[in-house]
Amino acid sequence: DTEVTQTPKHLVMGMTNKKSLKCEQHMGHRAMYWYKQKAKKPPELMFVYSYEKLSINESVPSRFSPECPNSSLLNLHLHALQPEDSALYLCASSQDPDRASNTEAFFGQGTRLTVV
Amino acid sequence: RKEVEQDPGPFNVPEGATVAFNCTYSNSASQSFFWYRQDCRKEPKLLMSVYSSGNEDGRFTAQLNRASQYISLLIRDSKLSDSATYLCVVNHPNAGGTSYGKLTFGQGTILTVHP
Repeated sequence: DTEVTQTPKHLVMGMTNKKSLKCEQHMGHRAMYWYKQKAKKPPELMFVYSYEKLSINESVPSRFSPECPNSSLLNLHLHALQPEDSALYLCASSQDPDRASNTEAFFGQGTRLTVV
Repeated sequence: RKEVEQDPGPFNVPEGATVAFNCTYSNSASQSFFWYRQDCRKEPKLLMSVYSSGNEDGRFTAQLNRASQYISLLIRDSKLSDSATYLCVVNHPNAGGTSYGKLTFGQGTILTVHP
């Protein structure tokens, strides 16, 4: 079962709202990722969690706050977003971030976020 | 120079054609290489990993040239269902070389297969 589940699938929020995106995997993977994808562009890495610890933050603005409560769950807390933050937010997981092999990532269906 | 570069296309080919995509990467410490496919408004899905000796999966053949830092994907006997964006993905270590969690995507190559 190579399934990564994201909720919600769609989200519309105002610039003063606080919301959270959720991601879950039960494959025993120890790396989890947040990517942002704008239309007609490739996914851009935002954060990497390795063994439940934040290992990579690609200089993401603080209005995006990741959280990894346990090895199966990954959240992205959103606060005071701007309209240009509207995008598809993709969660992914991979088996073992400390190995050079077996690093293929499996993606959830994404949350399509619109900031108004 | 971008970390992963692909010809964005678009490639517009008839059914049954053979089409090749190319990709180059800049970080010589990169260790793992993949091709993903992404359909419109869907998530990327792993098509195949790319191994040093080259590998084949049905109509798809992937090649890796570490010396030239070059990856390729060949699709034979194209089907209408092959129409998608093909993404070259490279995994390279963090600055300290202790983690390989950073997957970087090329900009994608758009393929349209027509009847």
